[in-house]
Amino acid sequence: SYELTQPPSVSVSPGQTARITCSGDALPEKYARWYRQMSGQAPVLVIYDDSKRPSGIPERFSGSSSGTMATLTINGAQVEDEADYYCYSTDSSGIHRGVFGGGTKLTVL
Amino acid sequence: QVQLVESGGDVVQPGRSLRLSCAVSGFTFSSYGMHWVRQAPGKGLEWVAVISYDGSNKYYADSVKGRFTISRDNSKNTMYLQMNSLRDEDTAVYFCVKDLEACTRSSCYFALGQDWGQGTLVTVSS
Repeated sequence: SYELTQPPSVSVSPGQTARITCSGDALPEKYARWYRQMSGQAPVLVIYDDSKRPSGIPERFSGSSSGTMATLTINGAQVEDEADYYCYSTDSSGIHRGVFGGGTKLTVL
Repeated sequence: QVQLVESGGDVVQPGRSLRLSCAVSGFTFSSYGMHWVRQAPGKGLEWVAVISYDGSNKYYADSVKGRFTISRDNSKNTMYLQMNSLRDEDTAVYFCVKDLEACTRSSCYFALGQDWGQGTLVTVSS
């Protein structure tokens, strides 16, 4: 079955740039989306279609994709950005099955 | 304002069945696909199933295929997840999610959107 691979954890100091990667064989054909999840809460969409930012999401969040890797970048990470981040996409088989990466714990301290 | 409210979560024994509901408001339900996503305690997110706007197309994760059935009643603005032959590993918070279609130059396909419910907890335990 199709898999997306993320690093389990990323750590940065406040004000630094955080980058979280997501690799998957179908990413050249399918968009990546990124969700932020705080403990005990529903996930929040922060990037869709590789690089688009929903309204209300701060400009410091950006996304990109090249080949089989998508990247979520947080410029000037803040303490309140500490959360779990998940990439999401769809396999390319035409069966429309969604898939999440394993999640990345972002620590900002 | 878009609202999605899940219900039906409970404690159930292995092998038994349970039906979850997702009642929606604030948008034209009959125009959108809908998804179920789950999260086991302390674990990551897992996509479960998607249903098209009219119920004619349904897709499932391998882990639930043949045991779970997604459905909808557009007259009631409600989506369902019928879960049969439940296993310990089905224990999770189940979220319903509104579809936000993704379109490349060649095709459009189902994709999770920004509108999620708060989830309902299903515990499978003897």
